[in-house]
Amino acid sequence: EAGVAQSPRYKIIEKRQSVAFWCNPISGHATLYWYQQILGQGPKLLIQFQNNGVVDDSQLPKDRFSAERLKGVDSTLKIQPAKLEDSAVYLCASRFPPTDTQYFGPGTRLTVL
Amino acid sequence: DAKTTQPPSMDCAEGRAANLPCNHSTISGNEYVYWYRQIHSQGPQYIIHGLKNNETNEMASLIITEDRKSSTLILPHATLRDTAVYYCIVRVGSGGSNYKLTFGKGTLLTVNP
Repeated sequence: EAGVAQSPRYKIIEKRQSVAFWCNPISGHATLYWYQQILGQGPKLLIQFQNNGVVDDSQLPKDRFSAERLKGVDSTLKIQPAKLEDSAVYLCASRFPPTDTQYFGPGTRLTVL
Repeated sequence: DAKTTQPPSMDCAEGRAANLPCNHSTISGNEYVYWYRQIHSQGPQYIIHGLKNNETNEMASLIITEDRKSSTLILPHATLRDTAVYYCIVRVGSGGSNYKLTFGKGTLLTVNP
């Protein structure tokens, strides 16, 4: 089966610009996650969707980050405006409830200059 | 979720068994031990999980002590492709809609030729 797809793989922007990342989960996976991974650290959950509803966005910096999952399939994560500290890899993962395994995409590496 | 402690790095010779330890002394009776790994420039990958019995699959074996306060992930014949960061995560394995993972810094396993 096809894995979790993410695009773009790399993105370089200047601070205060906006950027968007796209994720296509594994077909049939109702749960979708966005993580932020700063260099040298483990992934940190930003937001979790169940179908097209938000389950947990407690760690999403809502003043600049937004995410949506229209129609409960693809998802986009947006940063506006970007800060230097947003430089990180943004990972998308999906899961087929009630199983526990999360499947991760390759990530998008964002560099903010 | 219970806190886990892992060594920051380990080395292993190619072809030998790699034994990665994890301490989780505050684990609760209904919490599972999960292992994921992250190869450089890729998203994390599920390896194995268990509650109290030892588990084995095609990738690895998981040995959980009788008191469940620690566990060991065993890669029986490590190859260069097993070089990665290995994450030990403890949490309730409900599979429900609010299911999520909290990653620490993990152990960087380097397999040497």
